[in-house]
Amino acid sequence: AQKVTQAQTEISVVEKEDVTLDCVYETRDTTYYLFWYKQPPSGELVFLIRRNSFDEQNEISGRYSWNFQKSTSSFNFTITASQVVDSAVYFCALSESIIQGAQKLVFGQGTRLTINP
Amino acid sequence: KAGVTQTPRYLIKTRGQQVTLSCSPISGHRSVSWYQQTPGQGLQFLFEYFSETQRNKGNFPGRFSGRQFSNSRSEMNVSTLELGDSALYLCASSEGTGLENQPQHFGDGTRLSIL
Repeated sequence: AQKVTQAQTEISVVEKEDVTLDCVYETRDTTYYLFWYKQPPSGELVFLIRRNSFDEQNEISGRYSWNFQKSTSSFNFTITASQVVDSAVYFCALSESIIQGAQKLVFGQGTRLTINP
Repeated sequence: KAGVTQTPRYLIKTRGQQVTLSCSPISGHRSVSWYQQTPGQGLQFLFEYFSETQRNKGNFPGRFSGRQFSNSRSEMNVSTLELGDSALYLCASSEGTGLENQPQHFGDGTRLSIL
């Protein structure tokens, strides 16, 4: 069965610090997709990144970077020089391709990130 | 492009009633998925519709049902409401085709409270 674990329930840091959110997943499939979403207080889940199981290249987008390591089944997310606007709940999710194009996202429990000024 | 639109934003019902939630996907998206978010269980997949057909289903009782119309708009219905159905219900849309799982884009959700 698929499972996503975000062991950090809450993280609180001071603005400008770097912070890493951990994500560990379990799946039996060889083809799968990993995602990170951000949920601000308004409730909407905002898509941040998608990575497929065949692409282990790390990715950087501005202050955000992602480290995908298949050997440890981890897909960690780092925010560099954090800002107050980064405060939100962050979810890691896993999707296996059941039918072409179909999706069923399995989410971790989320990490509540608070950036203090 | 307009995002995913869910109506209503808030809803209060009593036990035993039924409720219908609506979702309009991003223009051109043919796949609509529904998720339930509660503090205890987190985000859980309910079902996915594509071209008016349910393509995937989560582990929820039959009281939870949905449908999709020809314009890709979707509704979900919960009958015989229970206190435990109080949750944020999120709708997500994606293109729904192709070899790669396209990212799902979420609406603001409908917050359902059962009294």
